[in-house]
Amino acid sequence: DVKVTQSSRYLVKRTGEKVFLECVQDMDHENMFWYRQDPGLGLRLIYFSYDVKMKEKGDIPEGYSVSREKKERFSLILESASTNQTSMYLCASGADVSYEQYFGPGTRLTVT
Amino acid sequence: AQTVTQSQPEMSVQEAETVTLSCTYDTSENNYYLFWYKQPPSRQMILVIRQEAYKQQNATENRFSVNFQKAAKSFSLKISDSQLGDTAMYFCAFERVNAGNMLTFGGGTRLMVKP
Repeated sequence: DVKVTQSSRYLVKRTGEKVFLECVQDMDHENMFWYRQDPGLGLRLIYFSYDVKMKEKGDIPEGYSVSREKKERFSLILESASTNQTSMYLCASGADVSYEQYFGPGTRLTVT
Repeated sequence: AQTVTQSQPEMSVQEAETVTLSCTYDTSENNYYLFWYKQPPSRQMILVIRQEAYKQQNATENRFSVNFQKAAKSFSLKISDSQLGDTAMYFCAFERVNAGNMLTFGGGTRLMVKP
């Protein structure tokens, strides 16, 4: 079974803090994704990566950055957390185009 | 840019009955892929069913089937013999060919199956 794990299920941070969300997949997938999930808006793509050290902006990259130093690990960084970044963050990985993405359990981040 | 719309924020159905979730999308592409994903409460998102736009035949996976109407840009999900375990958020998603596996999601439909 494909497993995608995320470093925390719940996280509470203060405004202005630097926040790291980590994602690890164990199936040697090329593609990895970070989404945020908000009620009524579905999932919106923040960043994705199709290879080590490669990254592409998604639909809402502002306020976020990413790092992919190893194939299995994809990190999302909030340089200076703000209250409007309070959300559920989902990581996903995929082997190839047109096929399914495998999702992690999500991190519910609250910024106070 | 593609958009995906799910017009039903919430639905409910009695156990063993059939329910249909709606999804429409907007694209100028001729070839693409469509998906339904399921997110059970406090559990990970999983793929329910996948449809390739160039295939006319509607995809089916056990109790789950789709009604794909390409001209109308509609992609509804039918769940037959609903079970309590079908209670979840359901997301419709769109992927362009040659888009690097990038998905555009709809806003989701929360489905409650009642005993």
